[in-house]
Amino acid sequence: NAGVTQTPKFQVLKTGQSMTLQCAQDMNHEYMSWYRQDPGMGLRLIHYSVGAGITDQGEVPNGYNVSRSTTEDFPLRLLSAAPSQTSVYFCASSYRLAGGRDTQYFGPGTRLTVL
Amino acid sequence: DAKTTQPNSMESNEEEPVHLPCNHSTISGTDYIHWYRQLPSQGPEYVIHGLTSNVNNRMASLAIAEDRKSSTLILHRATLRDAAVYYCILRDVRGSGAGSYQLTFGKGTKLSVIP
Repeated sequence: NAGVTQTPKFQVLKTGQSMTLQCAQDMNHEYMSWYRQDPGMGLRLIHYSVGAGITDQGEVPNGYNVSRSTTEDFPLRLLSAAPSQTSVYFCASSYRLAGGRDTQYFGPGTRLTVL
Repeated sequence: DAKTTQPNSMESNEEEPVHLPCNHSTISGTDYIHWYRQLPSQGPEYVIHGLTSNVNNRMASLAIAEDRKSSTLILHRATLRDAAVYYCILRDVRGSGAGSYQLTFGKGTKLSVIP
């Protein structure tokens, strides 16, 4: 298994540009999520999905869109990039074992800089 | 959600045991205690979790106080590869909604391993 993969690894955008961060997993996990991590901080949840066609907002959703058309893929779209979105973005996935029983697997991250 | 408190940083000598503390004085009886770690420039990875009893796996041991108000992650022989930020996270075993999958990260403990 490749696990959780993310592309690109690095990206530089200009203010106002849009782009999509890709996330894919090959473990047939139902739950997928996106986090951002700012320097010296813990991770904060942006959006999550509990299955194909089902998404919801996390702690910091503004400026981001998601969709989940397949179990494997969960892309994150930046609609109009702003310097405040400069961060490292992590995708995670797990089986739907509710009640804190699931183990979450994280991708290697995408480092995004917005000028 | 119950909060956790961890030291900002700790140091250990290589091949020595490391005890990473976590205080969670407001923990409820239904909270699992999870530990994740994040190596430099990587995504977080699962380490261990437990509810009431001490737990062991190939990576570490988790010692849970009898009153569950604190726990300790034990690395039996620290290696240079164990240098990372370690996060202690509580998750409610009663959680059944989509939000129950969320991991709430604090700032964690940065472990440095001295050769």
